[in-house]
This record gives sequence, structure tokens and C-alpha cells, in this order.
Amino acid sequence: AQSVTQLGSHVSVSEGALVLLRCNYSSSVPPYLFWYVQYPNQGLQLLLKYTSAATLVKGINGFEAEFKKSETSFHLTKPSAHMSDAAEYFCAVSDQTSKIIFGSGTRLSIRP
Amino acid sequence: DAGVIQSPRHEVTEMGQEVTLRCKPISGHNSLFWYRQTMMRGLELLIYFNNNVPIDDSGMPEDRFSAKMPNASFSTLKIQPSEPRDSAVYFCASSPRSSGVRQTYEQYFGPGTRLTVT
Repeated sequence: AQSVTQLGSHVSVSEGALVLLRCNYSSSVPPYLFWYVQYPNQGLQLLLKYTSAATLVKGINGFEAEFKKSETSFHLTKPSAHMSDAAEYFCAVSDQTSKIIFGSGTRLSIRP
Repeated sequence: DAGVIQSPRHEVTEMGQEVTLRCKPISGHNSLFWYRQTMMRGLELLIYFNNNVPIDDSGMPEDRFSAKMPNASFSTLKIQPSEPRDSAVYFCASSPRSSGVRQTYEQYFGPGTRLTVT
């Protein structure tokens, strides 16, 4: 069975600072991994995905994530936070079936 | 290119009434998912379909909930009778058809239906 754990339900950073959102996964088969973003009153939007190609994955809005098998991690980063990055971020894992398991989410706040 | 379409966007109803939520997936997608999101429980998968066939309905809370997918372009989630604890945002998502041996399985979400049961 697969699962994801997002460390920190709320992260606050200053505008221009590094954003780091942590995600660890558990999977019995080589996983597919995803990061989604949810802005207030909207649906989830795919930020990026890992499907066993390059371990460093670049997504939209300047975000990227690195797959580290030895650490079972898939942390999301952005070098410089912008006010518009304030949202809820979800890490997710798939075991190559149709089903995706979502984490509990991390709310990102940006301080001016 | 139209995304996943859900209707209505907001629904307010009284306890005991029947509620029907509707979803039109992205054309060409072969998997459809219904989720429920609340502050207390987060994002929960209720049921999903592959090629219009229900595959896993283990997340459906109880018999008051039912879902159908009569064709590739339409699905409904029905709650009968509704209860205040059903108040939540319900999302529909669809997933693209495999283009090769390995499928990427990303899901595309609709804007959601905010259901309030009083």
C-alpha cells in the first residue's frame, strides 16, 4: 500500500525567501509522485509529476521537486517565494494504478 | 480546451432532500474520480471509474451515496437523503487515456461543488 506524509501542516516564509515543502512517501512498487496546488475556492492543479525519468522535476510557476529514492522523499522547492504562491500544496503518490493517494496538505503563507 | 466541468458550483439544501452533483470529464479521458474535501478529513476519494465502470467505491460513506457514469462524458454523484454532515466541497477529476505502456496517471480536477446541508 502507498502513503504520503507531508511534514508541517502550515509553512510561512518571507517574500523572496526559499520555499521548501517536505513530502515522504511509502510505496511497494516504483512510484509515480505528484505535487498539486489548490488556491482558495478552486480545484487542485497539477504542479509537477515524477514518472521515473529525471529525478529533478521542474514544474509550473518556478517550482521543482527532487526524487530521492534512498530517502523516500519528494520535497518541493522554489528559490524565491512570491505573494501569489500562497495556497495549499498536496503531495501525492500512485502505484501505477489509476488511484492516487493524496497527503494531508501543507498551507503555505507568504509574509510581505 | 475545456477542463473538467462540474455543476452546480454551489448547492444549499435542507436535510432529507436529494442532491445530485454532475460532472463532465475532459474529452478523451478514461478515468473519473469523485472526491470530498472537508477541513476535518481533508481530501477523500469516494469512488472512481475506468471506462465508465466503477472500480473502487470503498470510499463511499454509506448507502445514501451513489454514483453513476452512463457514458464517457457524464457522471453523477447522488446523496439521498442528505444530512448536515454531508456538507463539504465535492470534486470531480479525470485522468487521461494511456498513450503507451506506462501511464502518467495525473488527474485534472474540476472547480468543485460546495454543498451545504442545513
